Amino acid sequence: AQSVTQLDSHVSVSEGTPVLLRCNYSSSYSPSLFWYVQHPNKGLQLLLKYTSAATLVKGINGFEAEFKKSETSFHLTKPSAHMSDAAEYFCVVSDPYNQGGKLIFGQGTELSVKP
Amino acid sequence: SAVISQKPSRDICQRGTSLTIQCQVDSQVTMMFWYRQQPGQSLTLIATANQGSEATYESGFVIDKFPISRPNLTFSTLTVSNMSPEDSSIYLCSVGRLLGTYNEQFFGPGTRLTVL
Repeated sequence: AQSVTQLDSHVSVSEGTPVLLRCNYSSSYSPSLFWYVQHPNKGLQLLLKYTSAATLVKGINGFEAEFKKSETSFHLTKPSAHMSDAAEYFCVVSDPYNQGGKLIFGQGTELSVKP
Repeated sequence: SAVISQKPSRDICQRGTSLTIQCQVDSQVTMMFWYRQQPGQSLTLIATANQGSEATYESGFVIDKFPISRPNLTFSTLTVSNMSPEDSSIYLCSVGRLLGTYNEQFFGPGTRLTVL
């Protein structure tokens, strides 16, 4: 069965410094992977997705993620944090050959950005 | 992406009562889902809302507690029945589309439920 593990429950960075949110996955097949962001009292917004095309995926708001099959990782990065990036981030795996493409969510990483 | 609205956006309910949450999409979609997000937790899939047939529930969720309707391709409801404080959560609907081999989902704003 597929699963996803977000290695940090909370990450704190200073504004203007790089962001790294770590995610490892487990899947029987080549998975589809997503990062979603949830701002306080808001719904979930899709940041980016990996679907077996380019391994380096660019998303909205300057975020990107790299799919590394050898490390079973899909870490989210951003070169320079902005105050508006403070939110909860979810790494998500979808295995199309198991459970009908059901989305499996990680436990989330709360990103804090200090001025 | 589709525009998804939910009603109500939040509610405070008494234990033992029921609440029906509505999800409306601005275009016809094949796949609709309901999720629960308990306080400080991640999202858990409750069920897939199937148009014209009974919903498909995930392990740990039953129709008597969470009845779901899907009368057409743009609308669904989730009822939380006989509520207890443990049902206090955010309930989100999502719509999905199959793109080749993967399922891409977009989420509504959620309904924040507090049960006293």
